[in-house]
Amino acid sequence: ETGVTQTPRHLVMGMTNKKSLKCEQHLGHNAMYWYKQSAKKPLELMFVYNFKEQTENNSVPSRFSPECPNSSHLFLHLHTLQPEDSALYLCASRPGLAGGTGELFFGEGSRLTVL
Amino acid sequence: GQSLEQPSEVTAVEGAIVQINCTYQTSGFYGLSWYQQHDGGAPTFLSYNALDGLEETGRFSSFLSRSDSYGYLLLQELQMKDSASYFCAVRSYGSSNTGKLIFGQGTTLQVKP
Repeated sequence: ETGVTQTPRHLVMGMTNKKSLKCEQHLGHNAMYWYKQSAKKPLELMFVYNFKEQTENNSVPSRFSPECPNSSHLFLHLHTLQPEDSALYLCASRPGLAGGTGELFFGEGSRLTVL
Repeated sequence: GQSLEQPSEVTAVEGAIVQINCTYQTSGFYGLSWYQQHDGGAPTFLSYNALDGLEETGRFSSFLSRSDSYGYLLLQELQMKDSASYFCAVRSYGSSNTGKLIFGQGTTLQVKP
């Protein structure tokens, strides 16, 4: 148990569907991240939020739309996805952006399959 | 560009010692981290090196040479439960100061009896 909970754990959707991934952290952290993990590839940073404000968008296509209503919750809204978007989507948090070891606390991920 | 290189797979036997290397090319280097990820699980933090030298935590040690842009993770007295993927990651600050972590592609370690 890392203190970061992601739902759903598995999601199958068609290319025309709209779905959302949810992340909740119980660690009192202020920074939250979305990463994409594809097979045999490095974890790919997508978005960073700090105190609910987006500080990084790593050139992510607009079919991925993040939302951070408060420091404990992070969503990733999905629409009109492509099969190549199938991957494990990992949420992570840390106390803040600066200082310390930079340790990230990850959730177990949402496994997305786009048909 | 920024990149990290590590071997894709390593195999070793129980009780042995294995070293997983990581070379990096990044801007604004602050430190090198290692994460472990079991199949279906969350990546979990193992170690962090900001300065040159060896950091030891139980059976695991991590080494950094900033001048060589190189580090490694050393796993001793291997156990079956150590079978997992291991990622190196660099703390690199972008212009927006996001505290980004840039990850390598991961090394799959298989421990055999």
